[in-house]
Amino acid sequence: DIVMTQTPLSSPVTLGQPASISCRSSQSLVHSDGNTYLSWLQQRPGQPPRLLIYKISNRFSGVPDRFSGSGAGTDFTLKISRVEAEDVGVYHCMQATQFPYTFGQGTKLEIK
Amino acid sequence: QVQLQESGPGLVKPSQTLSLTCAVSGGSISSGSYFWSWIRQPAGKGLEWIGRIYISGSTDYNPSLKSRVTISLDTSKNQFSLKLSSVTAADTAVYYCARTHLGALEIDYWGQGTLVTVSS
Repeated sequence: DIVMTQTPLSSPVTLGQPASISCRSSQSLVHSDGNTYLSWLQQRPGQPPRLLIYKISNRFSGVPDRFSGSGAGTDFTLKISRVEAEDVGVYHCMQATQFPYTFGQGTKLEIK
Repeated sequence: QVQLQESGPGLVKPSQTLSLTCAVSGGSISSGSYFWSWIRQPAGKGLEWIGRIYISGSTDYNPSLKSRVTISLDTSKNQFSLKLSSVTAADTAVYYCARTHLGALEIDYWGQGTLVTVSS
């Protein structure tokens, strides 16, 4: 299985400041079809996960543009340009390049 | 907008079979554009992908659960189901049903989740 490792596991951030979460995969996520199936999900307290970003950098419908994704190969990053109170929660990266799909451990974003 | 809702027993005895159903509204599970998936999350832990099914009936399962898992579709009721046999306490988790887009393989819509506890 591809192991997804997120850092940090916890990120205290000041409102209005940027935040960044890293996700590293144990092997390349480039699929044989040339695509890289790396997604980012947000899970607010008591809620199901919600899709933010797919295929590294594509924002899902309705996701604010303060969220952005980047990376390639085995190293990926989710950035929030200016953290708002509603961004509190756990962020997960997920790979769908190889079965079984696997997730990172999750990064808890909290406000200082 | 598509909505998914899980239903099923919240308590299952060890060695028995866990059975959950996911009702889909706002869209048809017969659409060829999506897979229909199950994911679970033990309390305080990360997400684990269980498997998915396509309208053709083709399934893919997590090898760690494959010998115990069955995912099926009921197009007449616009729902799909999960069965997990021989459960133990390690199967206690919140179970989510979700839709996976065929093109970009993103899991774009999730149900609210249902807690299943395995205990005698």
